[in-house]
Amino acid sequence: GQNIDQPTEMTATEGAIVQINCTYQTSGFNGLFWYQQHAGEAPTFLSYNVLDGLEEKGRFSSFLSRSKGYSYLLLKELQMKDSASYLCAVRDGDNFNKFYFGSGTKLNVKP
Amino acid sequence: GAVVSQHPSRVICKSGTSVKIECRSLDFQATTMFWYRQFPKKSLMLMATSNEGSKATYEQGVEKDKFLINHASLTLSTLTVTSAHPEDSSFYICSARESETSGSDNEQFFGPGTRLTVL
Repeated sequence: GQNIDQPTEMTATEGAIVQINCTYQTSGFNGLFWYQQHAGEAPTFLSYNVLDGLEEKGRFSSFLSRSKGYSYLLLKELQMKDSASYLCAVRDGDNFNKFYFGSGTKLNVKP
Repeated sequence: GAVVSQHPSRVICKSGTSVKIECRSLDFQATTMFWYRQFPKKSLMLMATSNEGSKATYEQGVEKDKFLINHASLTLSTLTVTSAHPEDSSFYICSARESETSGSDNEQFFGPGTRLTVL
């Protein structure tokens, strides 16, 4: 089966840096995605990694190590609006349409 | 990015009735759309892949006769929850990919979701 693990909840302070980890064990792999989801809303795309290394996009960075089945999302200069759930998703190796989602990490940003 | 809409955003119905949810790609054509279900504080669970002009592909454990999917055009897919029961209450989200090319980093664009409550 497919297994994607994330911490359930994290708390950080406005202006700080936070790292959200994701480990995965899947039968195939063709990319790892991070999505942000505010309560009651649809997920929005944040980042994509298919090769090992760090991808940076403004305040958000995502890292991937395929050999370790590990990724993290790094959020810098935290803002109150960053309070949301962050979903890690792995794309199936054989079926490009199929994504396996982790249960999400709820991030609480405090003043 | 591409825009996907869903209608209705929220629906409350009585047990035993059927509910139809529409998913539209507004500024692109999508030969494939996806239907997810999300329980409170849980992640997205893929229910089925909707293919334009052909039958949907359902994930294991999802009842085809319970969740009817119709993808009649390149911009519209519908999910009908038949004979809804309280346990069908959930957040239903559709998504679509802008391109069918493989090997690219094109992400799925999600609709805003539909909150279904069955009384």
